[in-house]
Amino acid sequence: EVHLVESGGGLVQPGGSLRLSCAGSGFTFNDYALSWVRQAPGKGLEWVSAISGGGAETFYADSVKGRFTISRDNSKNTLYLQLRSLRAEDTAVYFCAKDQTYHDLVSSYSLDYWGQGTLVSVSP
Amino acid sequence: TQLSQSPSFLSASVGDRVTITCRASQGISSYLAWYQQKPGKAPKLLIYAALTLENGVPSRFSGSASGTEFTLTISSLQPEDFATYYCQQLHSYPLTFGGGTKVEIK
Repeated sequence: EVHLVESGGGLVQPGGSLRLSCAGSGFTFNDYALSWVRQAPGKGLEWVSAISGGGAETFYADSVKGRFTISRDNSKNTLYLQLRSLRAEDTAVYFCAKDQTYHDLVSSYSLDYWGQGTLVSVSP
Repeated sequence: TQLSQSPSFLSASVGDRVTITCRASQGISSYLAWYQQKPGKAPKLLIYAALTLENGVPSRFSGSASGTEFTLTISSLQPEDFATYYCQQLHSYPLTFGGGTKVEIK
């Protein structure tokens, strides 16, 4: 059974940094692209970033480009998101999610498995 | 690619037929998914490739597509279906979601 478990969230001051982790199990980790998706309190879903199965290719939403860095360690079955220069508007639950089909960042069909999320709060 | 989802709010009764629409700003072929989300939970995949029901999802859920317009239909609303529904395009990066449709009990 596929499991994704996020960790690393917490309260941080504006301008601060945080690193989120997502541990995967139940599938061949390096065979699939992975994404981070966030949800601000009471708001909708916002895709944040994605990384290919081997880690060579990445994409970012404009709202986080230059501030967030996605990476993965396939030897540890773990996905990361480094958050820097945090702002109040980055406050959200951050979910990791697995691409249904592909290793590469190509047109795909869904994000089929999601973690339970980790809350990042940016406040003085 | 922008996704325009409507309505944003829907009030319905158990047994009602419910339709949610998602319009893409450009062609995305069939690279569209629908998710259900309940409060405090992660999104759950319902439909992928615009039309295909995910394993284990009840057959009262269905997806359809016509050009850049996509539809999620619940044929007979059940109590457990009261939730928020999102469409997502996976045709090109950045991936995008519709604004969501909250389905509440009338």
